[in-house]
Amino acid sequence: GAVVSQHPSRVICKSGTSVKIECRSLDFQATTMFWYRQFPKKSLMLMATSNEGSKATYEQGVEKDKFLINHASLTLSTLTVTSAHPEDSSFYICSAKRGTSGVYNEQFFGPGTRLTVL
Amino acid sequence: GENVEQHPSTLSVQEGDSAVIKCTYSDSASNYFPWYKQELGKGPQLIIDIRSNVGEKKDQRIAVTLNKTAKHFSLHITETQPEDSAVYFCAASRGNTPLVFGKGTRLSVIA
Repeated sequence: GAVVSQHPSRVICKSGTSVKIECRSLDFQATTMFWYRQFPKKSLMLMATSNEGSKATYEQGVEKDKFLINHASLTLSTLTVTSAHPEDSSFYICSAKRGTSGVYNEQFFGPGTRLTVL
Repeated sequence: GENVEQHPSTLSVQEGDSAVIKCTYSDSASNYFPWYKQELGKGPQLIIDIRSNVGEKKDQRIAVTLNKTAKHFSLHITETQPEDSAVYFCAASRGNTPLVFGKGTRLSVIA
């Protein structure tokens, strides 16, 4: 149990275009989903926290108008990178907190999406 | 806010030996301490976690210990195998606050 999927796994796009990444919890309801960015050989950097049906909470330094997050249901969150530029190229990973975890922040991660902006 | 320090940054062990990775945290109110394994090009995989009301937890070859007084927790892998080679991250959180990750440990198991 506790499987999280991401789609696409890899995307290459031209500079200026927008890219949407989907994150789904396949076998549980996720009260909260998180989006991370990871640079090569580095730890995970939290970008934003999203709760179903409400606006996402962005970390300091993350542009909310550039990284649009929608959490439409208890099993789906999307991250849209708008007007992508080469510096947005990175490994984006989502995670989902199981609704039954209570006060413990038990998160399960997706497989990640490799974004390359040309 | 919470700060998590992880050591060592790299670790090489012979196959069959044990590996130990240590983390310290700063927020005494943190109550959840997971460990993740990340293979190249993949997302982190939860391998074991421990809650603040427990001092030790074991799952086959993997164990985690927690010392709340000293504010540190450790991952122990026994009888290491080449497939244990990966980057391991510790993390800590308090209630519903976001996980704070350590910088990771690259474990290499040499056959």
